[in-house]
Amino acid sequence: DGGITQSPKYLFRKEGQNVTLSCEQNLNHDAMYWYRQDPGQGLRLIYYSQIVNDFQKGDIAEGYSVSREKKESFPLTVTSAQKNPTAFYLCASSRVDVETQYFGPGTRLLVL
Amino acid sequence: AQSVTQLGSHVSVSEGALVLLRCNYSSSVPPYLFWYVQYPNKGLQLLLKYTSAATLVKGINGFEAEFKKSETSFHLTKPSAHMSDAAEYFCAVSGSQGGSEKLVFGKGTKLTVNP
Repeated sequence: DGGITQSPKYLFRKEGQNVTLSCEQNLNHDAMYWYRQDPGQGLRLIYYSQIVNDFQKGDIAEGYSVSREKKESFPLTVTSAQKNPTAFYLCASSRVDVETQYFGPGTRLLVL
Repeated sequence: AQSVTQLGSHVSVSEGALVLLRCNYSSSVPPYLFWYVQYPNKGLQLLLKYTSAATLVKGINGFEAEFKKSETSFHLTKPSAHMSDAAEYFCAVSGSQGGSEKLVFGKGTKLTVNP
């Protein structure tokens, strides 16, 4: 089955802790994206990457970091600098030559 | 810069009634437009997309949307609502003519279907 997987489904963060959300795709897509979803706010872009070893900040990158060492993987780290991390995080991917993005099932991050 | 406005954060219809979810966009270039659906605690699923071919676009689950350039609109419709249509719907715009590009999403419309 081709698709995008995100893990874990639920993640709990303690004060001052960095946590990493996993996103893997087997669609052979070059571009990958991370979005944050808050109730009533729609989706806001955190980071995106169009090619391995390169990525760009989105609209709300502060307090987050990413890496893109492999085409299939685009992990997101929520650092302790992100003071309001509670949200639903969605990963997406697309081919470079088309705009349609395909989404993973999401990770819900909660603060203890 | 692109932007999307979805009119009505909540829409409620009766089963069998017409579904109309409104989306207006702003784009400095000819846009690509999308509708996605999200069921609770799930990712987004593509319903349909407009890429400058036909102005009336048919999607999955009986949904369709019409691109109206003069009104800068891309409203989503379904003739007869089903209980399984209850979900949140997002309109999105991309300004790209090809090549991956950021999507700008509206804030979503939550659809309730009453029996």
